[in-house]
Amino acid sequence: EVQLVESGGTLVQPGKSLRLSCAASNFTFDDYAMHWVRQAPGKGLEWVSGITWSSGTIAYADSVKGRFTISRDNAKNSLFLHMTSLRVEDTALYFCARGVYGSGRHFDSWGQGTLVTVSS
Amino acid sequence: DIQMTQSPSSVSASVGDRVTITCRASQDIKFWLAWYQQKPGQAPKLLIYGAYTLRNGVPSRFSGSGSGTEFTLTISSLQPEDFATYYCQQANSFLALTFGGGTKVEIK
Repeated sequence: EVQLVESGGTLVQPGKSLRLSCAASNFTFDDYAMHWVRQAPGKGLEWVSGITWSSGTIAYADSVKGRFTISRDNAKNSLFLHMTSLRVEDTALYFCARGVYGSGRHFDSWGQGTLVTVSS
Repeated sequence: DIQMTQSPSSVSASVGDRVTITCRASQDIKFWLAWYQQKPGQAPKLLIYGAYTLRNGVPSRFSGSGSGTEFTLTISSLQPEDFATYYCQQANSFLALTFGGGTKVEIK
């Protein structure tokens, strides 16, 4: 069974930085695109960022462009999200999600999420 | 970016009812649409992709249709485990993926 385990979420002040990690197992990690999707408390889903298997294509939602950086380490089966200049509106549960094989544009496996709270 | 508009935002239904949820895209996305189910406290689950392809293991009472800008998720006979929030997601380009606002299916 595919496993995705996020970590790194915590309470952080506005303007600060934070790095999220996602440990993947039970599948060939470097065959798949990976994404971060977030969900603010009581709200809907928002795609944040995606990265292809080779890191050749990287994309961001407009709301985080220039502040967040996605990366991956295929040797360690890990996905990362480096978040800077955090804002109150970045408060959310951040999910790591696997892109479907091939296009990578839909999300077929999800972690349970890690909670980021931005507050002074 | 492509905007996705889901309707209704909530629906009250009984076990055995047929439920239909609509998703409209602000521009042509061909068949690049998926549907997800999310229950409280859980991660979303992929139900349908490519507008109408049922993911392995998803009950056949779920079906998807549409292309271009208008799409539909239908639950043919609502079961107790189907009460959840459903989201559509467009995937016209890897560079900009977006979700609809969600539809909560509640018990009548």
